Amino acid sequence: DAGVIQSPRHEVTEMGQEVTLRCKPISGHDYLFWYRQTMMRGLELLIYFNNNVPIDDSGMPEDRFSAKMPNASFSTLKIQPSEPRDSAVYFCASSPPPGKGNTIYFGEGSWLTVV
Amino acid sequence: AQSVTQPDIHITVSEGASLELRCNYSYGATPYLFWYVQSPGQGLQLLLKYFSGDTLVQGIKGFEAEFKRSQSSFNLRKPSVHWSDAAEYFCAVYNTDKLIFGTGTRLQVFP
Repeated sequence: DAGVIQSPRHEVTEMGQEVTLRCKPISGHDYLFWYRQTMMRGLELLIYFNNNVPIDDSGMPEDRFSAKMPNASFSTLKIQPSEPRDSAVYFCASSPPPGKGNTIYFGEGSWLTVV
Repeated sequence: AQSVTQPDIHITVSEGASLELRCNYSYGATPYLFWYVQSPGQGLQLLLKYFSGDTLVQGIKGFEAEFKRSQSSFNLRKPSVHWSDAAEYFCAVYNTDKLIFGTGTRLQVFP
């Protein structure tokens, strides 16, 4: 199993530019999560999907952030326009139905720097 | 709301020493609890998890954790730490389809 695959691994962009982060979940996993990690706020859940449908986006910081899951094998997290305070590591994760002992598997992360 | 607290931000131990990382949870019923490890520049890897049954859980890399309902704790232990264990450790609780993470404990290992 290839695991959760994220791209790009690293991105440096200028303030105001659009950033698109991509994620391929593990095949067969119904749930997909986007987390953000910063020194100040730790690991925060931004949004999660069940069967490609967004279930809870209450963690999305503002309208500049959007996430889509057009099919079971692909999701994007977009920031437009980007700001320096968006600099963080963005993790995608996937799982079978959570709870009941199932594990949530994380990708390697996308390390975003906005200058 | 469910939450986890990791009271230690940073711990330093000598290689070969024993280790205990603390985690306290807040939840009314029996929680599903997890420990993840994050090596520098890497993603999160599951060490172990508890959802029912035996309160002493064995994980990968020689780690174990004990669920203590009376203390609302799920502390991570290792009898002898290796230099490669230097990393950040996160405790997490499952809450309505998602994981809520603690703030993490950074482990430093001296030779």
